[in-house]
Amino acid sequence: SQQGEEDPQALSIQEGENATMNCSYKTSINNLQWYRQNSGRGLVHLILIRSNEREKHSGRLRVTLDTSKKSSSLLITASRAADTASYFCATNQGAQKLVFGQGTRLTINP
Amino acid sequence: DAGVTQSPTHLIKTRGQQVTLRCSPKSGHDTVSWYQQALGQGPQFIFQYYEEEERQRGNFPDRFSGHQFPNYSSELNVNALLLGDSALYLCASSVGAGHNNEQYFGPGTRLTVT
Repeated sequence: SQQGEEDPQALSIQEGENATMNCSYKTSINNLQWYRQNSGRGLVHLILIRSNEREKHSGRLRVTLDTSKKSSSLLITASRAADTASYFCATNQGAQKLVFGQGTRLTINP
Repeated sequence: DAGVTQSPTHLIKTRGQQVTLRCSPKSGHDTVSWYQQALGQGPQFIFQYYEEEERQRGNFPDRFSGHQFPNYSSELNVNALLLGDSALYLCASSVGAGHNNEQYFGPGTRLTVT
């Protein structure tokens, strides 16, 4: 069974708009990581946020973590066509075993 | 600096056959994890190798086995293939067994079982 659940399952926005994806999980974690996957190929690591962190930024990405609600969000600002991909959150429950959600399919329309 | 590499890229096998997939970790990484990703799903953890030993295992049958070599590269073996084994198999590498290390994924091997 999978730990995380992403919401929404699919998101379609216009280029230039912001995209927000949410992730919920069930158990205590050491960290939470977000990944991007293009066309069913390898996963690209986007950002890691530790359980004692609340917010982290990387370029156009902003990730928040609320351990009391067991949830995280990924915000992509000023979206581009190249951001079209599936986005996954993965929780690290210890010793680097990652538990993934089912992902959000993001489509950026030109 | 080479990233994680996997071979082959695609593979077609028949039910009942055996398959071996290969992974070379990113330079400087010593831990390799394997994941199975069915179509439309998120990756699922199969097992992890560190210091040539299986350290953790997910909910996969014994038909799935692996190996890590002294140069940290790894193999995933699947015996008695089933149609349900058709998936993208992803290898990820990282450093040590720490809890807060990023994992870098390879491009995957697409296995089709007919």
